Amino acid sequence: GQNIDQPTEMTATEGAIVQINCTYQTSGFNGLFWYQQHAGEAPTFLSYNVLDGLEEKGRFSSFLSRSKGYSYLLLKELQMKDSASYLCATSGNTGKLIFGQGTTLQVKP
Amino acid sequence: DTEVTQTPKHLVMGMTNKKSLKCEQHMGHRAMYWYKQKAKKPPELMFVYSYEKLSINESVPSRFSPECPNSSLLNLHLHALQPEDSALYLCASSQLPGTGVDSPLHFGNGTRLTVT
Repeated sequence: GQNIDQPTEMTATEGAIVQINCTYQTSGFNGLFWYQQHAGEAPTFLSYNVLDGLEEKGRFSSFLSRSKGYSYLLLKELQMKDSASYLCATSGNTGKLIFGQGTTLQVKP
Repeated sequence: DTEVTQTPKHLVMGMTNKKSLKCEQHMGHRAMYWYKQKAKKPPELMFVYSYEKLSINESVPSRFSPECPNSSLLNLHLHALQPEDSALYLCASSQLPGTGVDSPLHFGNGTRLTVT
């Protein structure tokens, strides 16, 4: 089976840096995804990690450690529009993308 | 703008009604998905179609009936639903079945379903 854990809520200040952690346990491993979902909207794909290390994409970076079953999403230079839910997801060896509970990030001025 | 289009955006139906949700993508993706999302919860997988054939059914009750008429269209037929089925129903597609760097899921904006 698959088990994914991430914090429920986080608060950060505009312009700051925030790190959202995710731990996972899967049968097999086929990559770790991060999605962003604004209230009332569809989830949108942010990043994918299948090898250990850091993937940087503009203000967003994602890190993976397969041996620790751990990933984080790093958001730099936070903007008010970054207030959203951030979903960690893995597919294991089933090919089914399963989501964690999501972390609701609130960015304050 | 999403490249996966879902209609209707909102639907209110009684427990004895029959309705259908529709999803369309023109990205040439060969896998399509139905997810259900309750408020403040993550999307939960319901069905996966791979090359227009049903490949995964996550033990969904038979009152939900998926259909894939062609590679661009995905329907979800609803009959005799319960109030607890009220949720956001998300359609998604990916280039290939399974998931990977070449095949992230692209989601539609969903249909907000209310069962009265």
